[in-house]
This record gives sequence, structure tokens and C-alpha cells, in this order.
Amino acid sequence: ETGVTQSPTHLIKTRGQQVTLRCSSQSGHNTVSWYQQALGQGPQFIFQYYREEENGRGNFPPRFSGLQFPNYSSELNVNALELDDSALYLCASSLLETQYFGPGTRLLVL
Amino acid sequence: AQSVTQPDIHITVSEGASLELRCNYSYGATPYLFWYVQSPGQGLQLLLKYFSGDTLVQGIKGFEAEFKRSQSSFNLRKPSVHWSDAAEYFCAVGGDPYGGSQGNLIFGKGTKLSVKP
Repeated sequence: ETGVTQSPTHLIKTRGQQVTLRCSSQSGHNTVSWYQQALGQGPQFIFQYYREEENGRGNFPPRFSGLQFPNYSSELNVNALELDDSALYLCASSLLETQYFGPGTRLLVL
Repeated sequence: AQSVTQPDIHITVSEGASLELRCNYSYGATPYLFWYVQSPGQGLQLLLKYFSGDTLVQGIKGFEAEFKRSQSSFNLRKPSVHWSDAAEYFCAVGGDPYGGSQGNLIFGKGTKLSVKP
């Protein structure tokens, strides 16, 4: 158990819809990173938030956006869902160099 | 380009046998190296990490890894595999988040470990 929680655990959406995924950080961690893991692949970095500011972004389009709140919890929003967005979305929190992952949200886009 | 290569997609070992999972990385700055394990449908659990110092690092569940700078490798080893070790293993590299890099992790594609009874 890492103390990082994510909700919901599973989600089914249709193409074109919007989705919001949530992450609660481990206590004391001020940095949250989001990753997308497609089936059979390693996680791909989406973006990172440090003290409520975006602190780096991977190769994902602007329809992937995020927020970090004063309590360091975070949201990942995806607009205009596409079939290829179907994946496991992982949130990781950190204080220093080591990232601790939550269980993930499995998103299926039909 | 920054990348992580895990050459073995799938490895099968017998219970009690030794294990070595390979990882090679390409990274422009001083690498921070990690091994994570993922059980089916689950998140990632940290096994061990290397930042500096002794190049042989010990982790949880009896795993160890050796950093070899000259070979750009960080191979994971276990002397005796248990059936519960069956899972997918990911090697990852990141930079010093306080040294100018963004601190995001670059993952390999993973190695799936099966254990024969």
C-alpha cells in the first residue's frame, strides 16, 4: 500500500465524451505525476504537477489537462475522447525523487 | 534520445531457479534508476532504486540490481524465484528533479515473468 488512491477504478465512455479522473496523494507528497499505460506497454508520462503548477509535460495533446489542489490531490481531464485513449491511467505522488503509484483507473472508450 | 530497453518480453523460470531481468538505458544526464513490479490489473510497486553510491542495491522481496555505468545497464536479479513473483517488471529512468530535469520517468516496455512449479 502506497497511500495513493485513485477513483474511479473502472470507467466506460463513448468517443467524443469528456472524462475526469481523480488522485489523492500520499500524505506529505507535493508532486503528482500522471501516466497512461496502454495494453502491453510501459507507462507513458502525461504531465506532472508541483505545488499546483504544471511542472513538465509529455507528448500528449492539449485535450489532456490537469489540476492540482491545495491539498495536493489532482485531477486528469480528457476531452473529446478517442478510441486510443482506452488505457490504464496511473497517478504517482512524490516528495523527492521516488514516485509511488496508485492502483490506476481503467478507462474504456467505445 | 532518452529511452529504456528491456530486451526480454517474456521469461519463464522454474520455481527456485535464479532470475535476471535485463535493462539498458539511454539518458543524457545522471540517471536515477528504478525497478517496479505490476501484478495483473494493478498499479506499480517499487522494488528498488539507484541514485548514487554502491552500485549493487537491495530491494524488497529479495530482489537486487546492479548499476553498470559502462554498459548503461541496471539488471534485476533474484537468487531463488517464488511462484508469487510471477508478474510484469518495469525498469524506469528519471533525472534529478532538483537538478533541472523534470523528474518524469521513462519506462521500458516491461518483461513478463512466468514461474513454473
